[in-house]
Amino acid sequence: DTEVTQTPKHLVMGMTNKKSLKCEQHMGHRAMYWYKQKAKKPPELMFVYSYEKLSINESVPSRFSPECPNSSLLNLHLHALQPEDSALYLCASSPSGGGFTDTQYFGPGTRLTVL
Amino acid sequence: TQLLEQSPQFLSIQEGENLTVYCNSSSVFSSLQWYRQEPGEGPVLLVTVVTGGEVKKLKRLTFQFGDARKDSSLHITAAQPGDTGLYLCAGHRFFTDKLIFGTGTRLQVFP
Repeated sequence: DTEVTQTPKHLVMGMTNKKSLKCEQHMGHRAMYWYKQKAKKPPELMFVYSYEKLSINESVPSRFSPECPNSSLLNLHLHALQPEDSALYLCASSPSGGGFTDTQYFGPGTRLTVL
Repeated sequence: TQLLEQSPQFLSIQEGENLTVYCNSSSVFSSLQWYRQEPGEGPVLLVTVVTGGEVKKLKRLTFQFGDARKDSSLHITAAQPGDTGLYLCAGHRFFTDKLIFGTGTRLQVFP
């Protein structure tokens, strides 16, 4: 089973709202990732957690706050977003904690619209 | 600077035709993955190639990793409408953690 699940599938929020995106995997993978994908573009890396510790933060604005409660769960807390933050947010996981030999498996994404 | 360039950018063909998508770089990669993505969905892993010169087949899809580990190709035989989607190559350079994505190839197969 190579399944990564994400909830919700769609999210519409105002610029003053606080919401969270959730990601879960039960494959025993030790690295989890958040990506942002704008229309017709490849995914852009936001954060990487390796063994439940934040290992990469790609200079993402503080209105995005990641959290890794345990090895199976990854959250992305959203606060005071801007309309330009509207995008498909993808979660991924990889078996061996990240690194250049690790293959990433992606979830179905959350389509976020900021009004 | 885009490290992984894909060509063509767009491809529109009839069912039954063959096609090849290329993924090229001037840098050496430890491995390359190919993903297919449908609109509004996440990328689905098709294959990982790790050895220079490696060829992998997945039904009608044939993947090749260049001998110098700088390029890869995806060949589809007898394309079907179900092959429609965005094809992304992605790879890791040695000793770096970040997955680098290609520019993408959008394939449309008409019945």
